[in-house]
Amino acid sequence: EPEVTQTPSHQVTQMGQEVILRCVPISNHLYFYWYRQILGQKVEFLVSFYNNEISEKSEIFDDQFSVERPDGSNFTLKIRSTKLEDSAMYFCASSERGTSGGPPSTDTQYFGPGTRLTVL
Amino acid sequence: KQEVTQIPAALSVPEGENLVLNCSFTDSAIYNLQWFRQDPGKGLTSLLLIQSSQREQTSGRLNASLDKSSGRSTLYIAASQPGDSATYLCAVRGGGGGSNYKLTFGKGTLLTVNP
Repeated sequence: EPEVTQTPSHQVTQMGQEVILRCVPISNHLYFYWYRQILGQKVEFLVSFYNNEISEKSEIFDDQFSVERPDGSNFTLKIRSTKLEDSAMYFCASSERGTSGGPPSTDTQYFGPGTRLTVL
Repeated sequence: KQEVTQIPAALSVPEGENLVLNCSFTDSAIYNLQWFRQDPGKGLTSLLLIQSSQREQTSGRLNASLDKSSGRSTLYIAASQPGDSATYLCAVRGGGGGSNYKLTFGKGTLLTVNP
């Protein structure tokens, strides 16, 4: 069964450094997402991406964050200058469709295993 | 702003018991609702998605219902097994004014099934 994959599984960085988190969405999916989960807290939406542009972003997704689909398979999240409070598990997700009404499988957001980011 | 609440926060049951997990959301203008399972330190595994026009979805021993007008969903697990032990998350897409794509999550119910 196709899966969303993420690399690395764990990233440790110093405060102020730039990090790039990588994701390979499911191959026929068109909508891509990043979420994060701070330890002990809810999963929070960061951004959605379709047709090479951001379709929706949260208030968390400020100028320090950017997303890119550099080629036909990868989807990346860049944090320009990491802060201590960016420490979290970052999840990439993808879905075949972004609008609802079709079969559940086409609207389901499938999540990757996550990248644990630790900012020291 | 859409808010999702899950009750109870934790649940411990003996193996074989049928159980119900509850989810409520504040804005009924949703597109769909997904139930996920999360094992400690792991990613989210999608269990079921219910479209806003549907009342329930079933997958194996799992049955999820949706009452959109009252802002409630339940996840019913039949004949629970120790392997069902995990945190179960409810997430809604839409609601909260202008949100189309994002999922808003509850904090989850930590389920422990004792052998």
